[in-house]
Amino acid sequence: QITLKESGPPVVEPTQTLTLTCNFSGFSLGTSGEGVAWIRQPPGEALEWLALIYWDDDKRFSPSLKSRLSITRDISRNQVVLTLANMDTVDTATYFCVHRYLYGNFDAFDIWGQGTMVTVTS
Amino acid sequence: QSALTQPASVSGSPGQSITISCTGTSSDILFYKYVSWYQQHPGKAPRLLIYDVTNRPSGISNRFSGSKSGNTASLTISGLQTEDEADYYCSSYTNINPLVFGGGTKVTVL
Repeated sequence: QITLKESGPPVVEPTQTLTLTCNFSGFSLGTSGEGVAWIRQPPGEALEWLALIYWDDDKRFSPSLKSRLSITRDISRNQVVLTLANMDTVDTATYFCVHRYLYGNFDAFDIWGQGTMVTVTS
Repeated sequence: QSALTQPASVSGSPGQSITISCTGTSSDILFYKYVSWYQQHPGKAPRLLIYDVTNRPSGISNRFSGSKSGNTASLTISGLQTEDEADYYCSSYTNINPLVFGGGTKVTVL
């Protein structure tokens, strides 16, 4: 059974860097085909894909946020870490860590974490 | 503004069928068969319903079906049930942005 859980600060000040950790179980990011993504959702708004890291350490980023984002993995600890620099109030959102579905031809996400709400405020 | 356009709301009565559209461009839906659909109930994480335009993951009811015509993908819910009341999101590969979501559609069961 695959599970993912996000952790990080609930409140961040403007201009700070947000660091979110995804701890997962039930699969290894070292296994071919696996991937973990981050998706966020501002209150009352739509989903927004942020970044994706694959089993081979290949990484993809949303072009609009690429300059502010980084994503890393720790295979031995079953962790993925997302950082988002220069936070602004518009980055207030619930951030989801998600598992890449293995059986499709492109990136779909079958298992989602519960999400962690991050509020940007001074 | 989302790259994929969905109607803000769709409604139907129990037992009816409804269809949610997801309109893209030549950068995404028109030339690629990489559309997914998600269901999200209030306060919950989304759930994958459809991948690669028409395929259902294991455990997803066959009341949910996906299709594509030109630059528009569609999700059809047949035999509408009260528990289908939720927000629905499409997503697609694009050759500009690796992955984009639609703006979401609120389904109301009358």
